[in-house]
Amino acid sequence: QVHLVESGGGVVQPGRSLRLSCVASGFTFNIYAMFWVRQAPGKGLEWVAVISDDESQKSYADSVRGRFVISRDNSKNTMFLQMNSLRGEDTAVYFCARVMDEEGALDIWGQGTMVTVSS
Amino acid sequence: QSVLTQPPSVSGAPGQRVTISCSGSSSNIGAGYDVHWYQQFPGTAPKFLICDNNNGPSGVPDRFSGSKSGTSASLAITGLQAEDEANYYCQSYDSSLNGWVFGGGTKLTVL
Repeated sequence: QVHLVESGGGVVQPGRSLRLSCVASGFTFNIYAMFWVRQAPGKGLEWVAVISDDESQKSYADSVRGRFVISRDNSKNTMFLQMNSLRGEDTAVYFCARVMDEEGALDIWGQGTMVTVSS
Repeated sequence: QSVLTQPPSVSGAPGQRVTISCSGSSSNIGAGYDVHWYQQFPGTAPKFLICDNNNGPSGVPDRFSGSKSGTSASLAITGLQAEDEANYYCQSYDSSLNGWVFGGGTKLTVL
């Protein structure tokens, strides 16, 4: 079974940091690009970041560029999102997702992990 | 405001056909980038449904179909069923933003 499982969410104060993890199983992790997508409470989906299969290419949404860092460890089938200088508007469920093709279709999603930024 | 514009809600009776539009611009849909559609039930992760060229994962009923014309795309659902009641999102790439964008989402209500 193909699975993605996120972890690392929680409640954090503004300005602090948090690191999310996404563990993959059931497929060859190191040949797929991966996304982070978030969803604020009651809102729609927002692309956060993407990383290529070999970590050579990374891209970020304007809203998080310079504060968030995406990375992966293919030896551990794991992707990470280091979130620094967190703000209230970063409060959301964070999903990791597998990129199916070059056009960015996301065919496998994790269940999500909640991040709440609040004092 | 989302770069891709979707109607906040649509509705239809069981058995009917409904369409959900996704309006973009020359830097995303109009530039020829694929449009992908996702279905999301409250409290769960999104599920990939289909592309505008009707490519999609196996297991998705052929009642769902995608299309694209100019700077807009549409998701059509025929033979509407109660289980189709969910939120639907479109997604594409935007060359001006150098990133991926989602529509604001459409809530489908089956009457």
